[in-house]
Amino acid sequence: GENVEQHPSTLSVQEGDSAVIKCTYSDSASNYFPWYKQELGKGPQLIIDIRSNVGEKKDQRIAVTLNKTAKHFSLHITETQPEDSAVYFCAAITGTASKLTFGTGTRLQVTL
Amino acid sequence: EAGVAQSPRYKIIEKRQSVAFWCNPISGHATLYWYQQILGQGPKLLIQFQNNGVVDDSQLPKDRFSAERLKGVDSTLKIQPAKLEDSAVYLCASRTITGFYNEQFFGPGTRLTVL
Repeated sequence: GENVEQHPSTLSVQEGDSAVIKCTYSDSASNYFPWYKQELGKGPQLIIDIRSNVGEKKDQRIAVTLNKTAKHFSLHITETQPEDSAVYFCAAITGTASKLTFGTGTRLQVTL
Repeated sequence: EAGVAQSPRYKIIEKRQSVAFWCNPISGHATLYWYQQILGQGPKLLIQFQNNGVVDDSQLPKDRFSAERLKGVDSTLKIQPAKLEDSAVYLCASRTITGFYNEQFFGPGTRLTVL
């Protein structure tokens, strides 16, 4: 089955700096890669996603890039703000079953 | 639009006891998922329903876990008997059936502590 690795496990940045989280996947048949943000005591919430036929997608301060050849994808957050502090998960879906395989998560802390 | 509802939010039990979690998905969402999230890890799929039928339960420990989705709406996940390693947050998610890339919406989860 699919295996998703995520790095780093923790990330601390100063407000206004950029943050980058990287993930790799194992199954070349994976074709959809969402990113979720999980705040304390809440369920994960989708923040951005990318399909396998797209190399990059941007939504305001967040962007995701995908390298299918290398089987890795990354989340970029620019101009970080304290409210960006949370745990971020990458995930991958293989085929048509809509089964999400999650990475292990990155705890992002944005300091003032 | 109301989100995915789950109850209880917290549960503490002794090992070998039984426990049940309830989920009410977003209205009209035909697909429902139960995930187990152990502290410090990403959610892991336990079971997926489409309407009231099981699509995938390959990672459900069937000797102790069971789930049902009667009438294709609400769902219940049960653990009997619980083990210490079952301590985790149990997340319910739902999505519409149409389209492949539709977002899964997650509930707030039930935090289970097994003593």
